[in-house]
Amino acid sequence: DIQMTQSPSSLSASVGDRVTITCRASQIVSNYLNWYQQKPGKAPRLLIYAASSLQSGVPSRFSGSGSGTDFTLTINSLQPEDFATYYCQQTFNIPRTFGQGTKVEIK
Amino acid sequence: EVQLVESGGGLVKPGGSLRLSCTASGFTLNGAWMTWVRQAPGKGLEWVGHIYTKSGGVTTDYAAPVQGRFTVSRDDSKNTLYLQMNSLKTEDTAFYYCSAGSGEWGQGTLVTVSS
Repeated sequence: DIQMTQSPSSLSASVGDRVTITCRASQIVSNYLNWYQQKPGKAPRLLIYAASSLQSGVPSRFSGSGSGTDFTLTINSLQPEDFATYYCQQTFNIPRTFGQGTKVEIK
Repeated sequence: EVQLVESGGGLVKPGGSLRLSCTASGFTLNGAWMTWVRQAPGKGLEWVGHIYTKSGGVTTDYAAPVQGRFTVSRDDSKNTLYLQMNSLKTEDTAFYYCSAGSGEWGQGTLVTVSS
């Protein structure tokens, strides 16, 4: 199975900050990488697909980059509604493994 | 508006069975890539399995912990996705979500396996 490792596991940030979350795959996944946001008690929400494509309806302050094994989710100018847990997922191989999550908290 | 609504969760004893449903509105399941994901309380996301159509045939894949016990299927006439869960274990306790390849997710349904 492909292991997905996110860092950091949690971070504290302020409204207006730029936040970067990284995701590393244990083997090459090309650009078959999705990013999700999940708020407590809610279903995950797809933010980025194919490593860098913004899902319809997602604010442009979210962006994704990377290919191969190393990926990044960037949130420019963090907003109050962005405090949540973020997950990466590879869709290159079966099983479609997720990272362990990164919790973004208010500083 | 595209919407997915799960149902069928509940409390079941170890070794029991349960069938979850995911009814779609606003789009047709026929031809769509559909996935089940679960999340144990307070834990991360775990891919369970998916179903898609390829070369005119339906293909399913499963995570190792559920292989042989869970079955993903769909009824195109009802526009509904199913997850048949047999030989349930306590470690199957989780919220179960269905999702579409286009990015939509249902609200989830809770399955509790306990004696």
